[in-house]
Amino acid sequence: GQNIDQPTEMTATEGAIVQINCTYQTSGFNGLFWYQQHAGEAPTFLSYNVLDGLEEKGRFSSFLSRSKGYSYLLLKELQMKDSASYLCAYMDSNYQLIWGAGTKLIIKP
Amino acid sequence: SQTIHQWPATLVQPVGSPLSLECTVEGTSNPNLYWYRQAAGRGLQLLFYSVGIGQISSEVPQNLSASRPQDRQFILSSKKLLLSDSGFYLCAWSRVGVHTGELFFGEGSRLTVL
Repeated sequence: GQNIDQPTEMTATEGAIVQINCTYQTSGFNGLFWYQQHAGEAPTFLSYNVLDGLEEKGRFSSFLSRSKGYSYLLLKELQMKDSASYLCAYMDSNYQLIWGAGTKLIIKP
Repeated sequence: SQTIHQWPATLVQPVGSPLSLECTVEGTSNPNLYWYRQAAGRGLQLLFYSVGIGQISSEVPQNLSASRPQDRQFILSSKKLLLSDSGFYLCAWSRVGVHTGELFFGEGSRLTVL
């Protein structure tokens, strides 16, 4: 099957930290991807995890646990410009991306 | 540097009319090319992908078709649009090999079928 879930919406405060979770179920796995999409715009690539553990890239970090079918995106020192949807996607055994519906992140001052 | 451009950005079409969305990539050779559709509250749906000129794989049977007449040109077409074809269409490219999951998207085309 091809199941991937992430929360629909989250709210956080400017300057704070927020964690966006993503769970998936698949028989074939070739990596987990996070993309950012501002309203009305195209998605842009944020991170890629293929091995378990944490990948850090500036204010953004992404974590993967393959045994649990679980990933999270961690955003630190939130800025107003971080208000966007965050899309989780895994790559299946055919090397195609299977996308979650996205998490809309609202940042409040 | 690589760039991707798709057009038109927005269009409003009557039911039963034809459709043509075009996408071009510059600054890279032999990219993988993709057409996605994004509906509100749903994940990106892969419509077509291509690994080379004239090589098109369809993921979802429907009244849409795709063509790749040149290495860096990808076209999405329909002979007769349906109401359900409304949505946000995204063209994307990726490198071949291990980086194939890192997609670079065009600006998107918002289609409204009335």
